[in-house]
Amino acid sequence: EVQLVESGGGLVQPGGSLRLSCAASGFTVSSNYMSWVRQAPGKGLEWVSVIYSGGSTYYADSVKGRFTISRDNSKNTLYLQMNSLRAEDTAVYYCANEIAAAGSNWGQGTLVTVSS
Amino acid sequence: AIQMTQSPSSLSASVGDRVTITCRASQGIRNDLGWYQQKPGKAPKLLIYAASSLQSGVPSRFSGSGSGTDFTLTISSLQPEDFATYYCLQDYNYPNTFGQGTKLEIK
Repeated sequence: EVQLVESGGGLVQPGGSLRLSCAASGFTVSSNYMSWVRQAPGKGLEWVSVIYSGGSTYYADSVKGRFTISRDNSKNTLYLQMNSLRAEDTAVYYCANEIAAAGSNWGQGTLVTVSS
Repeated sequence: AIQMTQSPSSLSASVGDRVTITCRASQGIRNDLGWYQQKPGKAPKLLIYAASSLQSGVPSRFSGSGSGTDFTLTISSLQPEDFATYYCLQDYNYPNTFGQGTKLEIK
């Protein structure tokens, strides 16, 4: 069974950093394209970033230069390093594999709150 | 970035109704479009990929159509569990972009 479990969310001050993790089971992270999507409280979905099996990465303009997506193949885990956090980064962050293809799976999400 | 304009933003309907939600892209995206269902406090669930392909396990009352710039999601006969928010997503290029969502409520 495919499962994605996010962790690492929490309360952080503006300008701070946080690293989110997404532990995968039932498939190999390095063989899929993996994405992060976020949802601010009461708002719609916002695509954040993707990493392909070959290592190519893409980012939303709103996070480019501040966020870095990566993976650890030995741990079968996806990461999102978030630096220079702003209040507008407050959201539930979801990881997903094959976001718009057959077999897409999403995690349950982890809440990031940026506030002083 | 490609803009995805979804309509309506909200919709009231009854069990058994046929419902259609539309999504328009600001430029052509071939058939690189997915439809998601999200219930409160839950992760989104992919219903349709490649504009018209039904995700495994999704009831056949859900269908998608369209290509280029105009797309539709149709629910042929609403069931109580279908009341949720629906989003489209273009994965034609990066950044991927979602529509603003359609909240489907019980009349």
